[in-house]
Amino acid sequence: DGGITQSPKYLFRKEGQNVTLSCEQNLNHDAMYWYRQDPGQGLRLIYYSQIVNDFQKGDIAEGYSVSREKKESFPLTVTSAQKNPTAFYLCASSIYRTGSNQPQHFGDGTRLSIL
Amino acid sequence: AQSVTQPDIHITVSEGASLELRCNYSYGATPYLFWYVQSPGQGLQLLLKYFSGDTLVQGIKGFEAEFKRSQSSFNLRKPSVHWSDAAEYFCAVEPSGTYKYIFGTGTRLKVLA
Repeated sequence: DGGITQSPKYLFRKEGQNVTLSCEQNLNHDAMYWYRQDPGQGLRLIYYSQIVNDFQKGDIAEGYSVSREKKESFPLTVTSAQKNPTAFYLCASSIYRTGSNQPQHFGDGTRLSIL
Repeated sequence: AQSVTQPDIHITVSEGASLELRCNYSYGATPYLFWYVQSPGQGLQLLLKYFSGDTLVQGIKGFEAEFKRSQSSFNLRKPSVHWSDAAEYFCAVEPSGTYKYIFGTGTRLKVLA
């Protein structure tokens, strides 16, 4: 079955440590997204990528970095500069084509906590 | 600024009762509109979407939503709620052509047996 796989499901970070969240999709989607979810705040866009080797900052990119070396993969690194990283992180993907009118599909998320 | 408002943080209904979840957006033109559902610790599942055409759209699990341009609303409805509908529901808006969503803060639904 096609879908989006996020790993790990749970992740713990020590102070001053960088951690990387994995997101892989086999839907042949062009665009991929990272969201952060906090209770009562909905989903906020961190980074997005519409094609390989290109990505743009979302609304809350500070303290995060991404890469898009392959169409299927869009890893998110939470750096030590992100002072409040505890949250639920969701990856999504969609077709990126004018007039395609296709919705975003979501993975099952990674919960990041601070030790 | 573009925004999405879900005015009800929590809603409790009895099983078998009807349901309406509200969503209002602030955007000059007609955006693309979506409703997603999230079970605890899970990702988001698409319930339905509106791009153009008929303003009443049908989705999965017996849900429907009506787009009202004059009210900038896209309310989600279900005639008879099941206990398995207990979850958090998110309204999302994509300003046309941006490929980026703006999410509401969600409405948590509790269903009483």
